[in-house]
Amino acid sequence: EAQVTQNPRYLITVTGKKLTVTCSQNMNHEYMSWYRQDPGLGLRQIYYSMNVEVTDKGDVPEGYKVSRKEKRNFPLILESPSPNQTSLYFCASSSLAGLSYNEQFFGPGTRLTVL
Amino acid sequence: AQSVTQLDSHVSVSEGTPVLLRCNYSSSYSPSLFWYVQHPNKGLQLLLKYTSAATLVKGINGFEAEFKKSETSFHLTKPSAHMSDAAEYFCVVNLNAGNMLTFGGGTRLMVKP
Repeated sequence: EAQVTQNPRYLITVTGKKLTVTCSQNMNHEYMSWYRQDPGLGLRQIYYSMNVEVTDKGDVPEGYKVSRKEKRNFPLILESPSPNQTSLYFCASSSLAGLSYNEQFFGPGTRLTVL
Repeated sequence: AQSVTQLDSHVSVSEGTPVLLRCNYSSSYSPSLFWYVQHPNKGLQLLLKYTSAATLVKGINGFEAEFKKSETSFHLTKPSAHMSDAAEYFCVVNLNAGNMLTFGGGTRLMVKP
């Protein structure tokens, strides 16, 4: 089944404790992206990647890091989490064939709470 | 710069009555436009997309949307609401020059029996 998976689905942590949220897709998509969802703000893009070893900042990159060492994986790293990073996070992927016309497939989300 | 405005944060309808979720966008380029739906505790699912073909776009579950360039609108409609339509809906714009999506703030649809 074609899908985007994220782990963990739920995470409660404390300020300053490094964490990684994993994202993996099995559709051989070139493009992957991370979003955060906050009430009333919709989804905002954190980072994206057009292919292996190619990453770029989205709208809200501060406090986050990413890497793209393999095509299928795109982990999100919070080196020193803070309470304002409490949010619902989504990973997404899409093919770049036809560029902007293609649907982005979303993972199930990771709910992060930073105390 | 591009932006998306969903004009209603909450919409409440009775089961069997029409649904209208409003979306306006601004973009310097010819946009691709999408509607996504998010059911409680679920990820986002594509409802439909506009990619400069027919201006009236049909999606899944009986939803459709009409692209009106003169009004810069892409409103989502459904003739008859079902209880299972209760969810949050996002209008999304995508510049043709890239794959970045800009999301509206979302509209929560409530369906009363």
